[in-house]
Amino acid sequence: EIVLTQSPGTLSLSPGERGTLSCRASQSVSYGQLAWYQQKPGQAPRLLIYGATNRATGIPGRFSGSWSGTDFTLTISRLEPDDFAVYYCQHSTNSPPAWTFGQGTKVEIK
Amino acid sequence: QVQLVESGGGVVHPGGSLRLSCAASGFTFRSYGMHWVRQAPGKGLEWVAFIWYDGSKKFYADSVKGRFIISRDSPKSMLSLQMSSLRPEDSAVYYCAKEGGAVTRELDSWGQGTLVTVSS
Repeated sequence: EIVLTQSPGTLSLSPGERGTLSCRASQSVSYGQLAWYQQKPGQAPRLLIYGATNRATGIPGRFSGSWSGTDFTLTISRLEPDDFAVYYCQHSTNSPPAWTFGQGTKVEIK
Repeated sequence: QVQLVESGGGVVHPGGSLRLSCAASGFTFRSYGMHWVRQAPGKGLEWVAFIWYDGSKKFYADSVKGRFIISRDSPKSMLSLQMSSLRPEDSAVYYCAKEGGAVTRELDSWGQGTLVTVSS
């Protein structure tokens, strides 16, 4: 079973700063099946990034995804007030099919 | 645009049953796999179940296997989750979500969720 570990648990930043969120897989995974979601209080999650690096429809360019080995990163280049939320990474496996989420990183206003 | 609307949540006693529904619109429902994902109060996201676009295959998290059944009615664009032998730890907001790419397998659209509370 693949475990996704997100760090840090909480990221305290000011608007305009750069945010770097990490997601580490417990074993080698297919980068093509790694996604990132944003969730605000009382709302459903929203897809940000799929295939590790591809922005979903309508997602601003300040959000970007990257990866190296088992380490995946979501970068928010310049935080806007609307970006303070919880972010989850998610991976899927094929055999058997299963979807796993990281525990989340909360980005809060400093 | 894609719209997913869940219903059927409520309060149920431990050991009881509940059926959740998700009404889909704005896309060709019969062409996409569909998920249920849940979130316990104050906790993270947990994938629950997935059904293929044609309903031919179904997959479950170990935590619900043997107790929950996912199904779909494509002519009605409806997704369902039949939950039985409910436990307090099944208490959560349940979201239905649409499959994105068949290869990348992200969940690209989500409903607003329906709350299930299992309590005596």
